[in-house]
Amino acid sequence: GAVVSQHPSRVICKSGTSVKIECRSLDFQATTMFWYRQFPKQSLMLMATSNEGSKATYEQGVEKDKFLINHASLTLSTLTVTSAHPEDSSFYICSARGTSDQETQYFGPGTRLLVL
Amino acid sequence: GQNIDQPTEMTATEGAIVQINCTYQTSGFNGLFWYQQHAGEAPTFLSYNVLDGLEEKGRFSSFLSRSKGYSYLLLKELQMKDSASYLCAVMDSNYQLIWGAGTKLIIKP
Repeated sequence: GAVVSQHPSRVICKSGTSVKIECRSLDFQATTMFWYRQFPKQSLMLMATSNEGSKATYEQGVEKDKFLINHASLTLSTLTVTSAHPEDSSFYICSARGTSDQETQYFGPGTRLLVL
Repeated sequence: GQNIDQPTEMTATEGAIVQINCTYQTSGFNGLFWYQQHAGEAPTFLSYNVLDGLEEKGRFSSFLSRSKGYSYLLLKELQMKDSASYLCAVMDSNYQLIWGAGTKLIIKP
């Protein structure tokens, strides 16, 4: 089946620093990637949708200058949390949708971010 | 390797009961999640099981057997709005989510 990886799996950083999270589709080409954040036992909250080669579409309430998304290739999207604060501590999950199957999203394992 | 198996697609009738199974093999276990995802929407949290047994929440129930590496989601009194994909995910020893491919549930009148 289709595999999506994320790196790093967990990161601890100081307040004010920036953190980059990578999302890769390992064995398929992903025209669309989604970034979610999740608080414990809560639903995934969609942050943004990124299409390869174009600007990401952000959901209402998500600051695009704080959460920078780049989808430079069909297998890689990155989320950069700029000037991270403790309230940004969360579980960030990406998913990818392939070119051949527009209905199915394949989810990554998640990245746990802790901002001190 | 780590693996989550669930059926690709199931069909059921409005008003009936359906059980969606999920089997898993993971390195460690820190709980099993069920999510519902309607087309074009973000997954919605349904349940979290970390201990063996049945958890009931309204029309939805989730069961876990850690010794068997098995869970099921039971949906009762099916409604047309229950047509969706149901995702099973296990959190492993590193607190990473291992996702099943999802089960597409089709409800017929």
